[in-house]
Amino acid sequence: GAGVSQSPSNKVTEKGKDVELRCDPISGHTALYWYRQSLGQGLEFLIYFQGNSAPDKSGLPSDRFSAERTGGSVSTLTIQRTQQEDSAVYLCASSLDSPGVGPQHFGDGTRLSIL
Amino acid sequence: GESVGLHLPTLSVQEGDNSIINCAYSNSASDYFIWYKQESGKGPQFIIDIRSNMDKRQGQRVTVLLNKTVKHLSLQIAATQPGDSAVYFCAEADSGGYQKVTFGTGTKLQVIP
Repeated sequence: GAGVSQSPSNKVTEKGKDVELRCDPISGHTALYWYRQSLGQGLEFLIYFQGNSAPDKSGLPSDRFSAERTGGSVSTLTIQRTQQEDSAVYLCASSLDSPGVGPQHFGDGTRLSIL
Repeated sequence: GESVGLHLPTLSVQEGDNSIINCAYSNSASDYFIWYKQESGKGPQFIIDIRSNMDKRQGQRVTVLLNKTVKHLSLQIAATQPGDSAVYFCAEADSGGYQKVTFGTGTKLQVIP
């Protein structure tokens, strides 16, 4: 289908390693978002892209977290020196325009487990 | 600070009955509201949205009601089916400028066959 695609779907890694998560948004969607969801919890906003720029990165929990978007399409979320508290599902969403214009469409997430 | 919250964390409903999931919001600048459904192991799925110039909007088996006076949003599901079992999130945004979408904490809907 033409939905938001995230990879990998699952990632298990050792504490201290770096991980990179990928998001392919819906074609033509200019806005892209990253969220984090812990088990049984709501969505924690991480970062918002409009095109290739990030007007709001206020949700990134520490400088170990970074994200980029290239070509107005694919985005990667990188977590350096992972800690056990980083274990969560990382969700990506895209929307046609800015947040108040239309709904976000989500991928199924990457389930990250830090041993 | 501003918040979006849900009154009931878990709702159990008999199959065939109607379900009502409630949400309170506190940001008076919010003018766009969305409901999402999240099944286990999946990302949230868009159900229905409503703008503040409306107080009711209907979809297929779902209705969203907006009461701006008391800052309350509800999702009504008619003839609830087992496939409706999921966690439901409300969300709010301000279309007048960039404001990130704020999600509520979620309500788990359990449909009893």
